Amino acid sequence: EAGVAQSPRYKIIEKRQSVAFWCNPISGHATLYWYQQILGQGPKLLIQFQNNGVVDDSQLPKDRFSAERLKGVDSTLKIQPAKLEDSAVYLCASSSIQGIDYGYTFGSGTRLTVV
Amino acid sequence: AQSVSQHNHHVILSEAASLELGCNYSYGGTVNLFWYVQYPGQHLQLLLKYFSGDPLVKGIKGFEAEFIKSKFSFNLRKPSVQWSDTAEYFCAVKGTYKYIFGTGTRLKVLA
Repeated sequence: EAGVAQSPRYKIIEKRQSVAFWCNPISGHATLYWYQQILGQGPKLLIQFQNNGVVDDSQLPKDRFSAERLKGVDSTLKIQPAKLEDSAVYLCASSSIQGIDYGYTFGSGTRLTVV
Repeated sequence: AQSVSQHNHHVILSEAASLELGCNYSYGGTVNLFWYVQYPGQHLQLLLKYFSGDPLVKGIKGFEAEFIKSKFSFNLRKPSVQWSDTAEYFCAVKGTYKYIFGTGTRLKVLA
């Protein structure tokens, strides 16, 4: 099966600019996750979707971050305006069944550098 | 609150040495436990998982992990490491429905 697709792979922006990331999960996976992985740390969950509804966004900085999953398939994560501390790898993952979880399938991530 | 601790941040081993990476978690309910590996320049990949049953779990590439409920631990082991095992290893715990990842252990295997 095709993996989780993410784009772009790399992005460099200046602080206070906006940026958007795109994710296409594995076909048929109802659950989609966005993680932030800061250098030297483990991935931190930002938001979890079940189909096109939000299950958990408790750690999403909503004053600057937003995410949507239209039609329950692709998803976009946006940062506006970006701060230096947003420099990280943004990972998208999907899984087939919520509650009976066999492990995520991760995309390659988008490495964001804010200067 | 749910949390995961990985005690070793950096480990350096020679080829053929044995490996054990520690993972401890705190969570009061039923957990699912995972180990992921991230090779340089690649995305996270699932190594192995524990849901229930035999607490000794075997994964890919010769890795295994043992769930010790009384110690809240899920340590990763490999009897003989190879240079190609150089990577970062993450322990993850799934409680109700949220994954929590540890901070990772960076393993370097010297040829």
